[in-house]
Amino acid sequence: GENVEQHPSTLSVQEGDSAVIKCTYSDSASNYFPWYKQELGKRPQLIIDIRSNVGEKKDQRIAVTLNKTAKHFSLHITETQPEDSAVYFCAAGGYSSASKIIFGSGTRLSIRP
Amino acid sequence: SAVISQKPSRDICQRGTSLTIQCQVDSQVTMMFWYRQQPGQSLTLIATANQGSEATYESGFVIDKFPISRPNLTFSTLTVSNMSPEDSSIYLCSVGGASGTYNEQFFGPGTRLTVL
Repeated sequence: GENVEQHPSTLSVQEGDSAVIKCTYSDSASNYFPWYKQELGKRPQLIIDIRSNVGEKKDQRIAVTLNKTAKHFSLHITETQPEDSAVYFCAAGGYSSASKIIFGSGTRLSIRP
Repeated sequence: SAVISQKPSRDICQRGTSLTIQCQVDSQVTMMFWYRQQPGQSLTLIATANQGSEATYESGFVIDKFPISRPNLTFSTLTVSNMSPEDSSIYLCSVGGASGTYNEQFFGPGTRLTVL
């Protein structure tokens, strides 16, 4: 089955700097890679996702890149703000609505003022 | 995005008892998924529930411990049976295909379970 590894487990960056979180996956059949943000005591929220036929996707300050050959994908947050502080999870799985997704272990991001 | 509710939001239970968690969606969805999130940990998939068929369980999870029902396209239940303190966790349901096209998954608010 799918196994997703995520690094780093914790990340602290200065406000305004960029943050990068990296994930690798094991199942070459996976073709859908979402990212979730979870604030303390709240449910995970989908913030961006990418399909395997796309190498990069951007939404304002957030971007995701995918290297399908190497089975790597990354989340990039630019111009970080205090409200970006949260736990971020990557996931990998199938694109169809009947498919499951498997989550990485999470990255706790802290933004220093 | 789909509106998802869960009941109860939290509960404190005695060991050896069972708790049934409900998940309701405001639109018809293909798949519903049940996850467990232990304190400070990631989300672990328990099972996938498709309407009209038996749930598919992930390795380490069995039907006798976590029976699941999916009677229609907007509702599912997860029962945590014969509970022990190790079952203390947050249980979340999620729905896939709410957008009608692909596996964009959204989560319910979760049920915080404490077993004494």
